Amino acid sequence: DAKTTQPNSMESNEEEPVHLPCNHSTISGTDYIHWYRQLPSQGPEYVIHGLTSNVNNRMASLAIAEDRKSSTLILHRATLRDAAVYYCILSLWDSNYQLIWGAGTKLIIKP
Amino acid sequence: NAGVTQTPKFQVLKTGQSMTLQCAQDMNHNSMYWYRQDPGMGLRLIYYSASEGTTDKGEVPNGYNVSRLNKREFSLRLESAAPSQTSVYFCATRGSGGTANTEAFFGQGTRLTVV
Repeated sequence: DAKTTQPNSMESNEEEPVHLPCNHSTISGTDYIHWYRQLPSQGPEYVIHGLTSNVNNRMASLAIAEDRKSSTLILHRATLRDAAVYYCILSLWDSNYQLIWGAGTKLIIKP
Repeated sequence: NAGVTQTPKFQVLKTGQSMTLQCAQDMNHNSMYWYRQDPGMGLRLIYYSASEGTTDKGEVPNGYNVSRLNKREFSLRLESAAPSQTSVYFCATRGSGGTANTEAFFGQGTRLTVV
């Protein structure tokens, strides 16, 4: 049970912002929201994570809804190198903090 | 600083053969994980080790065994390979006891084909 719901794919133009949505309506108060991405033929790469407040780092921003039932990963200026599968994952307290993966969103960047 | 290193990168086995996938990390992390990824799907947890000397089953442990040799190394063994075990296998580590507030670091994967 992946616990998160994401669109199968999204397209965006190069150098434009990208908003990747994720629904996690069954989230509990101690579950962290993680985002990873996977480029073709590579291992997953950490992007960002948060609990309640919005988070920013050098790669992206994470906007978390006030009720925590959804979140959005924001890539401020997408490049062709950002084309990847993006996974929204909950780190579950009741599963010893395991990362439970869904199928992710395939992000296609058009030049 | 290599991070997480997996060997081999590619392997072809015949049905019934055995092999061990190796994983080593130099990040001084306590928690280590083995995942498999089938085409078009997310990762599924096979086994994990929260610390040296402990291992636990994940979502899909059948057909696999693991050994946490020391803090750095965590191996995955297939005793009798089956075509259903054809997959890409990823090793990962996580710091500070694997709590929810830590990020995971992944190796580059082992592509295993069982014929």
